[in-house]
Amino acid sequence: AQTVTQSQPEMSVQEAETVTLSCTYDTSESDYYLFWYKQPPSRQMILVIRQEAYKQQNATENRFSVNFQKAAKSFSLKISDSQLGDAAMYFCAWWVIQGAQKLVFGQGTRLTINP
Amino acid sequence: DAGVIQSPRHEVTEMGQEVTLRCKPISGHDYLFWYRQTMMQGLELLVYFNNKAVMDDSGMPKDRFSAKMPNASFSTLKIQPSEPRDSAVYFCASSTFDRGNQPQHFGDGTRLSIL
Repeated sequence: AQTVTQSQPEMSVQEAETVTLSCTYDTSESDYYLFWYKQPPSRQMILVIRQEAYKQQNATENRFSVNFQKAAKSFSLKISDSQLGDAAMYFCAWWVIQGAQKLVFGQGTRLTINP
Repeated sequence: DAGVIQSPRHEVTEMGQEVTLRCKPISGHDYLFWYRQTMMQGLELLVYFNNKAVMDDSGMPKDRFSAKMPNASFSTLKIQPSEPRDSAVYFCASSTFDRGNQPQHFGDGTRLSIL
């Protein structure tokens, strides 16, 4: 079974500093996507960044970047210059290209930004 | 373009009552997903549709839950009879199978409280 594991239930960082959230996954598939979603207190699920497994280059979106290690099945999220608005739950998710069209989510990491 | 629209945003009802949650997917999206989010279980997929047909409902308790998609722009998730353990946030999401256009787009969720 495919699983996604986020080993850090909670993280905190000082405003303007950098923080890295960890995610590992287990799959035998070779063609898939990985995502990071942000869920602020408003409970919306907001896509932060996505990575296609066949692309070796790590995805970046402004202050957000990933470190994708396919062999190690690791997909961490780095947030640079943390802002108060980054405070939220962050979910790592996996989606296979072929077959069942469903996202498999990790348990989430609650990120606190200290002013 | 309007996003995924869910109603109601909040629902409080007594145990044993019927509950109906509603979802309008993004126009043109042919996949629709229902998720449940709880503190203990995280985000779980209950059921998903492709072109109005149920593709996978293995995550849905069949004895009390039912999901329908009578047309491409509307879906319901019904719980009858409701129980306190059904209290959760229920998300609807939609997508289309376009490799470059993933991922799923989420609604704002319905917070359901069963007393």
